[in-house]
Amino acid sequence: AQKITQTQPGMFVQEKEAVTLDCTYDTSDPSYGLFWYKQPSSGEMIFLIYQGSYDQQNATEGRYSLNFQKARKSANLVISASQLGDSAMYFCAMREGLRNTDKLIFGTGTRLQVFP
Amino acid sequence: DTEVTQTPKHLVMGMTNKKSLKCEQHMGHRAMYWYKQKAKKPPELMFVYSYEKLSINESVPSRFSPECPNSSLLNLHLHALQPEDSALYLCASSQGPPKYNEQFFGPGTRLTVL
Repeated sequence: AQKITQTQPGMFVQEKEAVTLDCTYDTSDPSYGLFWYKQPSSGEMIFLIYQGSYDQQNATEGRYSLNFQKARKSANLVISASQLGDSAMYFCAMREGLRNTDKLIFGTGTRLQVFP
Repeated sequence: DTEVTQTPKHLVMGMTNKKSLKCEQHMGHRAMYWYKQKAKKPPELMFVYSYEKLSINESVPSRFSPECPNSSLLNLHLHALQPEDSALYLCASSQGPPKYNEQFFGPGTRLTVL
């Protein structure tokens, strides 16, 4: 079974609009962390935002926010005020068992294209 | 300095060649990683070094040989590769145990095996 599911292979958004990228996860471990990374065409993976399973509030980093719904096992990324430079591949990732493993499990990614 | 550097950026090698990929970080991180990423796919973990000791090997073929000479450097030695090994190889680092937090990635090495 997929541990991380990103159901949107591609998304389009107009510049200055907000966009939500979906991510659902599957784990029975009560301790886990959820990450979002951006990968432009140059190849580098850029860390965007992190949410721990015990965090009470949704994580925010500038224009990025994570809509964490624990009961639904979803961790959607919201990008506000999209910019042309946001066009990239976006990966959701999970680490299970926060203190006994250092393995990230990635979803298949969503390609976001921002148009003027 | 919040950067992970990788050399070379591009590498073309024949199946009989021996080459090495290099990765360096100066963030004081104690965990370093090698990932392999094929086109249009997510990164796949290959190896993890924690405090300069190999802690995870994801059943990678022996033609890939990692080495961690010190806490700042990570090498991946390549020998007798196959064309299907052509991919983007990403290095990453993190603070490591006990505080497993985000991994910082380098720009990658694009490897082509002829």
